[in-house]
Amino acid sequence: QKEVEQNSGPLSVPEGAIASLNCTYSDRGSQSFFWYRQYSGKSPELIMSIYSNGDKEDGRFTAQLNKASQYVSLLIRDSQPSDSATYLCAVIRGGSYIPTFGRGTSLIVHP
Amino acid sequence: EAGVTQFPSHSVIEKGQTVTLRCDPISGHDNLYWYRRVMGKEIKFLLHFVKESKQDESGMPNNRFLAERTGGTYSTLKVQPAELEDSGVYFCASSQVTGKRYEQYFGPGTRLTVT
Repeated sequence: QKEVEQNSGPLSVPEGAIASLNCTYSDRGSQSFFWYRQYSGKSPELIMSIYSNGDKEDGRFTAQLNKASQYVSLLIRDSQPSDSATYLCAVIRGGSYIPTFGRGTSLIVHP
Repeated sequence: EAGVTQFPSHSVIEKGQTVTLRCDPISGHDNLYWYRRVMGKEIKFLLHFVKESKQDESGMPNNRFLAERTGGTYSTLKVQPAELEDSGVYFCASSQVTGKRYEQYFGPGTRLTVT
């Protein structure tokens, strides 16, 4: 079982729709959760961090965390073609600084 | 504020040669990390510096890899001698020691191709 699992996609959504990206993790000691966006050939860019159960909203992005189900998700409202990228989920165990990454989900937002 | 920078952006070398990658973290970030992404795989941790000290080098694949951070500023990662399986994109990231210390900011990466 992979430590951090993401569906590789691609996830294709129409412009203006809500894109829902999901991530599950295996380590129950995980405390910190991150979403990175990576455009092709570019570096990962941190877009959201979440540390406690529930929802965290930042503009069009909402991160959702459910530690009991070991599940973290990212919702992108009003998706734009410029949101087309690979979204990486990263998880850090309590007491550590080192994230474990998933392989990423490719998102395509078509006009 | 300048972001994390890496040099070179691309490097193509032959098996057995030596390559040195450089990373300049965000000014004031004492945490510095090296990662590698092999094609089709997830980003994997290599090592972590706090200032000039190696905090965790559990991800270094073998003794052909040597990382340094003299003076606690920029860092270098040397691969000697390079093997075919060392090909991939090497990312550097940095973060603060206090406050948002878990939030890492990545450099553009160095794409290493060993032929």
